[in-house]
Amino acid sequence: AQSVTQLDSQVPVFEEAPVELRCNYSSSVSVYLFWYVQYPNQGLQLLLKYLSGSTLVKGINGFEAEFNKSQTSFHLRKPSVHISDTAEYFCAVTPGYSTLTFGKGTMLLVSP
Amino acid sequence: KAGVTQTPRYLIKTRGQQVTLSCSPISGHRSVSWYQQTPGQGLQFLFEYFSETQRNKGNFPGRFSGRQFSNSRSEMNVSTLELGDSALYLCASSLYRQGAAGANVLTFGAGSRLTVL
Repeated sequence: AQSVTQLDSQVPVFEEAPVELRCNYSSSVSVYLFWYVQYPNQGLQLLLKYLSGSTLVKGINGFEAEFNKSQTSFHLRKPSVHISDTAEYFCAVTPGYSTLTFGKGTMLLVSP
Repeated sequence: KAGVTQTPRYLIKTRGQQVTLSCSPISGHRSVSWYQQTPGQGLQFLFEYFSETQRNKGNFPGRFSGRQFSNSRSEMNVSTLELGDSALYLCASSLYRQGAAGANVLTFGAGSRLTVL
């Protein structure tokens, strides 16, 4: 079985500041990793994914994440956030088929 | 390409009633998954269908059921509704090809928000 821990339930940050949302996972097998974003009253939108290859993954809207196998982490980063990045972010893992295990989510609150 | 379409978007039911939610996947996607999202439990996997067969099932009571049709559209049903069933129900689809991780990336719909009074 897999589990995902998102260490921060809320991350407040000022506009144009950098941000890191933390994600750690636990699994007895190799996994694929994902970050999804959810805006109010919407579904989940894929930000980025790690399937194989380079451990630094670039996604949409200027986000990137780094897969660290030894630390079982997949932290999400953005060098400069905008007000429009205010949303809830979910880290998820799967051992290879479709079923995802999600973290509890991190609410990113960007203020001017 | 149209995305994943879920209907209805919002609905209100009373305890004891039943509800059916519908999901139309992206054209060509053959796998459909359902998730329940609540403030307390977060995102929890309900079940997954592929080629009209349930491939995986989460830890939910038998009141929760689903099915998939030959055109890959899926429905889920909740019978004898309880207050705790109030949630956002998300449907996701993928191409699904065994051994091809990229084909199994889920695309989500906007969800159906169920309120049980």
